[in-house]
Amino acid sequence: EVQLLESGGGLVQPGGSLRLSCAASGFTFSSYAMSWVRQAPGKGLEWVSGISGSGRTTHYADSAKGRFTISRDNSKNTLYLQMNSLRVEDTAVYYCAKERSLRNYGMDVWGQGTTVTVSS
Amino acid sequence: DIQMTQSPSSLSASVGDRVTITCRASQTISTFLNWYQQKPGKAPKLLIYAASTLQSGVPSRFSGSGSGTDFTLTISSLQPEDFATYYCQQSYTTPLYTFGQGTKLEIK
Repeated sequence: EVQLLESGGGLVQPGGSLRLSCAASGFTFSSYAMSWVRQAPGKGLEWVSGISGSGRTTHYADSAKGRFTISRDNSKNTLYLQMNSLRVEDTAVYYCAKERSLRNYGMDVWGQGTTVTVSS
Repeated sequence: DIQMTQSPSSLSASVGDRVTITCRASQTISTFLNWYQQKPGKAPKLLIYAASTLQSGVPSRFSGSGSGTDFTLTISSLQPEDFATYYCQQSYTTPLYTFGQGTKLEIK
């Protein structure tokens, strides 16, 4: 079964750091680009960051540039999101998502999400 | 940046109704438009990609159309399990993506 399982969320103070992980199973992880998408409480979906299958190419939303770093370890089938200088507005459920082989064709597998709360 | 605007923001309908949700892009995106369904407390689910192609396993009562800047998601006969929030997503600027603000479909 194709599955994504996020972990690493929690409560952190403004200015703090957190690293999210996403463990993948049931597919050839290194063959697919991956993304992080977040959803603030009661709000819509916001794409945060993406990474190519090899890990060589990364992209960020403006809200994440300079503060977040996406990476992957294909030997461990795991995706990461290092989040630094966290702000209250980063509070959200963070989902990892597998992109289709043709990246224009959407994200076909999603994790259950991990909750990040930034508060003093 | 490409902005995606959905309408309506919310919609009340009854089981058996035909429902249409609209998504408009701020500039042309060809057919690089995807639709997702999200139920409360759950992850989004891909319904339609490339504007009109049904994702595997999605019931045929769902359909999508459009190209350029204007797109629609239609549910031909609402079922109880279809009450959810629906999001469009442009993938024209892959690997940078933008979602619409969502349309909440509620039971009348």
